[in-house]
Amino acid sequence: AQTVTQSQPEMSVQEAETVTLSCTYDTSESDYYLFWYKQPPSRQMILVIRQEAYKQQNATENRFSVNFQKAAKSFSLKISDSQLGDAAMYFCAYSLHGDDKIIFGKGTRLHILP
Amino acid sequence: EAGVTQFPSHSVIEKGQTVTLRCDPISGHDNLYWYRRVMGKEIKFLLHFVKESKQDESGMPNNRFLAERTGGTYSTLKVQPAELEDSGVYFCASSSGDGHTGELFFGEGSRLTVL
Repeated sequence: AQTVTQSQPEMSVQEAETVTLSCTYDTSESDYYLFWYKQPPSRQMILVIRQEAYKQQNATENRFSVNFQKAAKSFSLKISDSQLGDAAMYFCAYSLHGDDKIIFGKGTRLHILP
Repeated sequence: EAGVTQFPSHSVIEKGQTVTLRCDPISGHDNLYWYRRVMGKEIKFLLHFVKESKQDESGMPNNRFLAERTGGTYSTLKVQPAELEDSGVYFCASSSGDGHTGELFFGEGSRLTVL
């Protein structure tokens, strides 16, 4: 069975600094999708970034980038130039087909220190 | 365009009572999903509708949970009778189903407290 593990329940970073959130997963599949979702306090969960496993190039979205290590089954999220609005719960997630069942990690709560 | 909306935002009921949660997906989205997060634990998949059909209901915990999506529009999730362990936040999400875009649009969740 597929699993997603986030080993950091909480993290803090100074505003304007860079922070990396860790995620590992387990699957026997060769093609799949990985995601980072963000849930700000009392708001909807939104997609931050998506990586297709068959693509070797790491996905980037503005200040957000991932370090996808397929062999190690690692999928970390780097947030550059952290802003106060980045404070949220971040969920790493896995999906086999992209629009089917998503398996989430427990989440990492990120605090931004002014 | 309206996002995914869920009602109620918070429900407090006693053990043994019935609660019905509603989800209105983004208009035109064929895929609708229910997830649940129990305090301190992972967000768990409950089930997936494609239009009005249940594509995958492998995550439904037991027969006290009934999900419907009549007409392929909004969906309801009924818990009857509710137990203490049913407390948590129930999330609904929808996606267009146009290829494997992988983006699910989530509602704000319905928090259920069973006393």
